[in-house]
Amino acid sequence: ETGVTQTPRHLVMGMTNKKSLKCEQHLGHNAMYWYKQSAKKPLELMFVYSLEERVENNSVPSRFSPECPNSSHLFLHLHTLQPEDSALYLCASSQGRAGNSPLHFGNGTRLTVT
Amino acid sequence: GQQVMQIPQYQHVQEGEDFTTYCNSSTTLSNIQWYKQRPGGHPVFLIQLVKSGEVKKQKRLTFQFGEAKKNSSLHITATQTTDVGTYFCAGRNDMRFGAGTRLTVKP
Repeated sequence: ETGVTQTPRHLVMGMTNKKSLKCEQHLGHNAMYWYKQSAKKPLELMFVYSLEERVENNSVPSRFSPECPNSSHLFLHLHTLQPEDSALYLCASSQGRAGNSPLHFGNGTRLTVT
Repeated sequence: GQQVMQIPQYQHVQEGEDFTTYCNSSTTLSNIQWYKQRPGGHPVFLIQLVKSGEVKKQKRLTFQFGEAKKNSSLHITATQTTDVGTYFCAGRNDMRFGAGTRLTVKP
């Protein structure tokens, strides 16, 4: 159904764990995004990659570390997270970073930090 | 970055009633996109507006872009239970989303 695949769908981790979220897009897009969606805040743009280069980092804490090895894959490495980091993490892709192309979202990873 | 404000935050309607959500920006937008997120789902692109004063329709949904390109609206005529979800606007300049309007429909 969606051309953007995120794994895992659910993740529970302790504050001392290290884990990674994975996103893969099969749409031939050249821009990829990480968004955080929590109950108390609207969709928050975290990182933007265009042509595999990070072009935006919205003051995200260093315990979140993105990686974009190629235009089809995007990772979010997590370490020493806090309970308030529990949220739905959405990956999206588009053809071009700005302009008229829509964002295509994955199903998200529901993260719970204990 | 630009601020995109959306109102109302919540709207509960009886099936068959109309619904409108509004999106306002503090700066002029190059274009605006609308998305719908069903409960438990992910945002799905609905439409994009580019021109000043533009109006687009998708069946019972009418989208409008203001003359000054600082505001936009989404109007649903005769809501159905399938319309349930959260509707978001996003300024395409920087892809920051409004807080969304959560619509619930009572059958």
